[in-house]
Amino acid sequence: QKEVEQNSGPLSVPEGAIASLNCTYSDRGSQSFFWYRQYSGKSPELIMFIYSNGDKEDGRFTAQLNKASQYVSLLIRDSQPSDSATYLCAVDAGGTSYGKLTFGQGTILTVHP
Amino acid sequence: SQTIHQWPATLVQPVGSPLSLECTVEGTSNPNLYWYRQAAGRGLQLLFYSVGIGQISSEVPQNLSASRPQDRQFILSSKKLLLSDSGFYLCAWSDRGNTIYFGEGSWLTVV
Repeated sequence: QKEVEQNSGPLSVPEGAIASLNCTYSDRGSQSFFWYRQYSGKSPELIMFIYSNGDKEDGRFTAQLNKASQYVSLLIRDSQPSDSATYLCAVDAGGTSYGKLTFGQGTILTVHP
Repeated sequence: SQTIHQWPATLVQPVGSPLSLECTVEGTSNPNLYWYRQAAGRGLQLLFYSVGIGQISSEVPQNLSASRPQDRQFILSSKKLLLSDSGFYLCAWSDRGNTIYFGEGSWLTVV
């Protein structure tokens, strides 16, 4: 069974700090990796995706992927109170997977002023 | 640009009653459509996905069903709700890739 593991948190960081969110996955054949942000009571919204080993930057967000270690992370620089949310890691096994993502349970992030 | 809408946003239903949640996508043709459920304290779980009109695949056994009567319309139904059906139901779409985008979600409480 494909599994995606995240530390449920809560992860608490001060405003302006770097928040580091981690995710591991069990299926070595996984091809695509996604980070979603979910505010309380709302639906998940896509932050970014990564396909290749290494880093991918988008504004204050950086996704890091290490397929050998089956590990993907999300760094949030200059964290703001508005970043407080649950962050979901999702993995796609690739091929004709039709978007059948496997999600982790999510990490709760709290950014305090 | 593409948009996705689902309704109703919230509903409270008694055990044994029927259910119908509806979702429509605009601004794209022939999307892949999905129904996910997020139960309290649990992660997102894929329930159904569809690659075309009338084509439905079920991921988990349950008393729910899905239908796609039109290209951009996806419906989640049940004939008799169980307490365990309570949760946050999310419709989603993708443009044949594997990046999915969620609708606003529907909160279902079965009492």
